[in-house]
Amino acid sequence: AQKVTQAQTEISVVEKEDVTLDCVYETRDTTYYLFWYKQPPSGELVFLIRRNSFDEQNEISGRYSWNFQKSTSSFNFTITASQVVDSAVYFCALTDFMKTSYDKVIFGPGTSLSVIP
Amino acid sequence: DTGVSQDPRHKITKRGQNVTFRCDPISEHNRLYWYRQTLGQGPEFLTYFQNEAQLEKSRLLSDRFSAERPKGSFSTLEIQRTEQGDSAMYLCASSLTGGADTQYFGPGTRLTVL
Repeated sequence: AQKVTQAQTEISVVEKEDVTLDCVYETRDTTYYLFWYKQPPSGELVFLIRRNSFDEQNEISGRYSWNFQKSTSSFNFTITASQVVDSAVYFCALTDFMKTSYDKVIFGPGTSLSVIP
Repeated sequence: DTGVSQDPRHKITKRGQNVTFRCDPISEHNRLYWYRQTLGQGPEFLTYFQNEAQLEKSRLLSDRFSAERPKGSFSTLEIQRTEQGDSAMYLCASSLTGGADTQYFGPGTRLTVL
């Protein structure tokens, strides 16, 4: 069965520090997609990134970067020079291969990040 | 481009009452999903629609829950005879197509059952 583990329940950092959020996944599928979503205090899930299982290149978007390592089934997320606005719950997620399409997204339990000014 | 909208944002009800939530997906999105999120947990899949057809339902969706998407546009999620265990955030998401297309989420409806 598919599963997503985010071992860090809560993280606190001081503003401008770098922080890495860990994500480990389990799947028997060879083709799958991984996602990161941000959920600020307002509650709305904000899409950050989607990565397919065949693309192991790291990705950088501004202060955000993602490290996908298939060998360790990890898809970690790093925020560089954190800001107070980064305070949120971050979810790592995996598609579940359902019949003939990838429609069900399996979410991890989330990591609550607090950036202290 | 208007995002996914949900109504109401908050609902407080007494145990045993029926409640109905509405979700308006991003226009032209064919897929619509419902998730439930309890405090401190990630969202859990409930059901999804391809246009007006309901294609999959989770075991979490008991007989008291029913979802519809008439005409393949907005969707409603109804909970009958609410129980305190139904208290949660109900999230709606839509995607342009199925498959691994990114799902975009609405702000959610927070249900509190007293």
